[in-house]
Amino acid sequence: DSGVTQTPKHLITATGQRVTLRCSPRSGDLSVYWYQQSLDQGLQFLIQYYNGEERAKGNILERFSAQQFPDLHSELNLSSLELGDSALYFCASSGHENMNTEAFFGQGTRLTVV
Amino acid sequence: AQTVTQSQPEMSVQEAETVTLSCTYDTSESDYYLFWYKQPPSRQMILVIRQEAYKQQNATENRFSVNFQKAAKSFSLKISDSQLGDAAMYFCAYRSGRGGSNYKLTFGKGTLLTVNP
Repeated sequence: DSGVTQTPKHLITATGQRVTLRCSPRSGDLSVYWYQQSLDQGLQFLIQYYNGEERAKGNILERFSAQQFPDLHSELNLSSLELGDSALYFCASSGHENMNTEAFFGQGTRLTVV
Repeated sequence: AQTVTQSQPEMSVQEAETVTLSCTYDTSESDYYLFWYKQPPSRQMILVIRQEAYKQQNATENRFSVNFQKAAKSFSLKISDSQLGDAAMYFCAYRSGRGGSNYKLTFGKGTLLTVNP
């Protein structure tokens, strides 16, 4: 158990809909990272939050957004869903950004858009 | 931008034998970290081993060791005494050593390892 909790584990929704994925980082970790894993794109970095502030953006679509709340949990919002958004979405957390720490991954949310 | 290349989409090994997974990367930075992650069928991403670029000594974790060649930008993973539980997708990953926005991981495409009994 990595200590990072993601909910839900599975999500099936229709095209055009909006979903919210939730992530609770390890206790004490300030950074949260979101990654998307798909067959064609592999594992891609989407966005990072550190202590409530956005710190880095990767290949995140404009239809996607994220936030990190005061209790440090994070949510990834995906809207106007398309079939191609079907993927495994991982959340990872790490400690203070200037410390030499690894990122620990949650078990992922499997999103299927039908 | 940094890139990570895993040239072996699939590998297989006999139980108790040794296998080496290849990884090359491209970067202009001198301070960085390299990782191998394992993803079994459960989908969980599990850290196997990590290497700091400033360390010349190759990292070792039990049956897992790396061959880090900084000049060649090569970072291979050796699994000794392979076990059935080692069967998984293995990802090589790069992370900048600078702080702030560069702590994201850049992953290779992965190598699917099969362990034959």
